[in-house]
Amino acid sequence: DIQLTQSPSFLSASVEDRVTITCRASQGIGSYLAWYQQKPGKAPKLLIYAASTLQSGVPSGFSGSGSGTEFTLTISSLQPEDFATYYCQQFYSYPVTFGGGTKVEIK
Amino acid sequence: EVQLVESGGGLVQPGGSLRLSCAASGFTFNDHYMDWVRQAPGKGLEWVARSRNKANSYSTEYAASVRGRFTISRDDSENSLYLQMNSLKSEDTAVYYCIRAGSGDRYFANWGQGTLVTVSS
Repeated sequence: DIQLTQSPSFLSASVEDRVTITCRASQGIGSYLAWYQQKPGKAPKLLIYAASTLQSGVPSGFSGSGSGTEFTLTISSLQPEDFATYYCQQFYSYPVTFGGGTKVEIK
Repeated sequence: EVQLVESGGGLVQPGGSLRLSCAASGFTFNDHYMDWVRQAPGKGLEWVARSRNKANSYSTEYAASVRGRFTISRDDSENSLYLQMNSLKSEDTAVYYCIRAGSGDRYFANWGQGTLVTVSS
């Protein structure tokens, strides 16, 4: 199975900070990576797919980059509604796997 | 607007069975691959199963942790997805989400609100 390692697992930041979350794959996955945001008690929401394509309706302050084994999710200016947990997910091969999550909290 | 509404969760004893349903609307159900993903309380996300569309013979995929115990199925005439769960274990306790796969089927575009399954005596 392909393992996805997210770092950091916890991040404390202030409004308007630039935030970067990293996801590393245990083997190359091309660009078959997606990012999701989950708020407490809610279902995850797709932010980015194919490593860098912004899902329709997602604010342009979110961006993704990378290919192969290293990927990043960047929030250019953290907003109050962005405090949540973020997950990466690979769909290069079965089983589909997720990273362990990065919780972004208010400093 | 895409809507996915899960039902059928609840409390079940270890070794028991449960059938989850997902009612879909707002898109052409029979064109899409559909998945189940679960999340144990306070934990991360785990993919459970996939149902491909009719064009791909309704073929299925399963996570190793549920293979042989869970069965994913669909009824395109009812725009519904199902998950039959047998021989349930305490580690199956989780919120189960119904998901519509995105174009190219490589990501999870739309999620339901989830239904909680608790396996406990």
